Amino acid sequence: DIQMTQSPSSLSASVGDRVTITCRASQSIVSYLNWYQQKPGKAPKLLIYTASSLQSGVPSRFSGSGSGTDFTLTISSLQPEDFATYYCQQSYTVPDSFGQGTKVEIK
Amino acid sequence: QVTLKESGPALVKPTQTLTLTCTLSGFSVTTSGMRVSWIRQPPGKALEWLARIDWDGDKFYSTSLKTRLTISKDTSKNQVVLTMTNMDPVDTATYYCARATTRANWFDPWGQGTLVTVSS
Repeated sequence: DIQMTQSPSSLSASVGDRVTITCRASQSIVSYLNWYQQKPGKAPKLLIYTASSLQSGVPSRFSGSGSGTDFTLTISSLQPEDFATYYCQQSYTVPDSFGQGTKVEIK
Repeated sequence: QVTLKESGPALVKPTQTLTLTCTLSGFSVTTSGMRVSWIRQPPGKALEWLARIDWDGDKFYSTSLKTRLTISKDTSKNQVVLTMTNMDPVDTATYYCARATTRANWFDPWGQGTLVTVSS
C-alpha cells in the first residue's frame, strides 16, 4: 500500500500569509495526487486534482504542484474562510490513501 | 445535480454487523466509468478509505479491513451498500460515500456523512 505523509500536522498563520503544505508518497504516484479542504462538521471538499488542476469554483489563491513523490499545496494569501484542515490523497492505485491532514489555524 | 446521501444506524453494539447505504442521485452506479467509494473518519482523526465498487461490478477493499468489509450495489434502487462485521468501539466514525469516475479519479462530490457510534 502507498503511504502518504503530510507536513506540518498543524500550522498557525495570519490572514494574508502565504501558506505551504507538503505531501510525500512512499512511492511514485506520477501526478495522481488530489487535495481536499475540510471544515469542522462538514464533508471534505475537492480543491485540486491531478496535482495542479484547480477544481471549478475554487479560488485562484489555491495552487498545487509536484510529481513523483513530492507535492505541495500553496495558499498565496490566506483568507479567513481558509482556516480548515487539508488532506492529500493518492489515486494512483488502490487502495486509495490519504495523508494525516494539516490543520491551518489562526495566529 | 449529483448528490450522495448516507444512511444507517447511529448506534451499534460491539460484535454487531453494520450496514450502511449510500443513495445516489443525478447519476447511475451502472453508468460506464462510475465509481463509488466509502471513506470514514474517526472523531478528530484523519480520513481512511475503506472500499470501492465500480460500474462493472469490480470491488476493491482496504488491505487492513478487507476481511470485515463487503461492498455491493442495488441497481434497482441506485444505491451502494457497505457492510462491516464484528464492529468495535474503534470503528466509531463518520462514514462518507463519494463518487469518482475512471476519467476523473478523485472524490467529488461527497455525501454529508453519517456518524456511527459503537458502544454497548
